[in-house]
Amino acid sequence: GAVVSQHPSRVICKSGTSVKIECRSLDFQATTMFWYRQFPKQSLMLMATSNEGSKATYEQGVEKDKFLINHASLTLSTLTVTSAHPEDSSFYICSASGRAGADTQYFGPGTRLTVL
Amino acid sequence: AQSVSQHNHHVILSEAASLELGCNYSYGGTVNLFWYVQYPGQHLQLLLKYFSGDPLVKGIKGFEAEFIKSKFSFNLRKPSVQWSDTAEYFCAVNAGDMRFGAGTRLTVKP
Repeated sequence: GAVVSQHPSRVICKSGTSVKIECRSLDFQATTMFWYRQFPKQSLMLMATSNEGSKATYEQGVEKDKFLINHASLTLSTLTVTSAHPEDSSFYICSASGRAGADTQYFGPGTRLTVL
Repeated sequence: AQSVSQHNHHVILSEAASLELGCNYSYGGTVNLFWYVQYPGQHLQLLLKYFSGDPLVKGIKGFEAEFIKSKFSFNLRKPSVQWSDTAEYFCAVNAGDMRFGAGTRLTVKP
């Protein structure tokens, strides 16, 4: 099956610093990548959708200047949490799809971000 | 707005019991439907999906789901659960944007 990796798996940072999370599709070309946030004991909340080579589309309520998404190639998307604060602490999960639209998404293992 | 409802927050079963997890969605157009599973400490994995055709979909590990369009439902079933089925189960609906249900935690007692 399709494999998606994320790096790092865990990161702890100080308040005010920026953190970059990478999402890679290892064995297929990901036309579209998605970034989710999962709160404890809650479902996944879609943050943004990115298509290779174009700007990401952010969900309502998600600050695009705070959560910078870059989808520079068909196998790599990055999420940068800028000027992180303790309330940004969460589990961030990416997924990738081989084509745009309502196709199957394959999920990465997630990144646990803790902001002190 | 498109939404997905999973009625059961936590289900506890004994091994060999039958399982049915409910999923309803509120969207009148064409949808693609998914069930994902998240085992403890692992990432989300696709159990099964429905795009079109036979509304009874069979997935991995003996799971199946039935799409009932008139009821806007896509319930997940398994005739006989095992201890290894203990996990969090998420229903998802995609009509351009993927929306997840809140999840159902299944605990199977040995």
